[in-house]
Amino acid sequence: AQSVSQHNHHVILSEAASLELGCNYSYGGTVNLFWYVQYPGQHLQLLLKYFSGDPLVKGIKGFEAEFIKSKFSFNLRKPSVQWSDTAEYFCAVMGANNLFFGTGTRLTVIP
Amino acid sequence: DAGVIQSPRHEVTEMGQEVTLRCKPISGHNSLFWYRQTMMRGLELLIYFNNNVPIDDSGMPEDRFSAKMPNASFSTLKIQPSEPRDSAVYFCASSVTRGEQYFGPGTRLTVT
Repeated sequence: AQSVSQHNHHVILSEAASLELGCNYSYGGTVNLFWYVQYPGQHLQLLLKYFSGDPLVKGIKGFEAEFIKSKFSFNLRKPSVQWSDTAEYFCAVMGANNLFFGTGTRLTVIP
Repeated sequence: DAGVIQSPRHEVTEMGQEVTLRCKPISGHNSLFWYRQTMMRGLELLIYFNNNVPIDDSGMPEDRFSAKMPNASFSTLKIQPSEPRDSAVYFCASSVTRGEQYFGPGTRLTVT
């Protein structure tokens, strides 16, 4: 069965610190992976996606993620966070036609 | 592109009343999803449609919830009768088959 695990529930960082949010998935078919961001009071927006090809995927706002098949992981990274990155981040894996979301990681960036 | 459109944006109703949430997907998308988000349970998939046909409604909490998609450009989620525990933000999303989902702004439902 498909599932996504995000082990970090709440991460607090100072501005300019580096970020890495963990995501592990379980899925037996072709893997399509996503990271979504939800800013306070807003809807989910796509940050980046992996369908095939280069396992290092670059997204919007300086985010990137690396697909490591052997580790079933798709961790999100950003070298230097900003206060405006304060949000909730969701990892998701594509099933037959729907997304399976992780429980989300709340990121708080302190100015 | 207008994106996914949801209405109303906010709804406050009394327990026992019928509530209807509406969604217009992005033109050309053939999959539509209804989610519910609460602090306690996080983001839950309620039901999704492909080519206007309900594919998986296993996430619908109980018989009080129903969803329809009469055509490719409109869907409704109905709660009858509503209860305070239904208070949540309800999101609609659309996509092409096996594509990334685009979310609407959500409907914040409060049942008193």
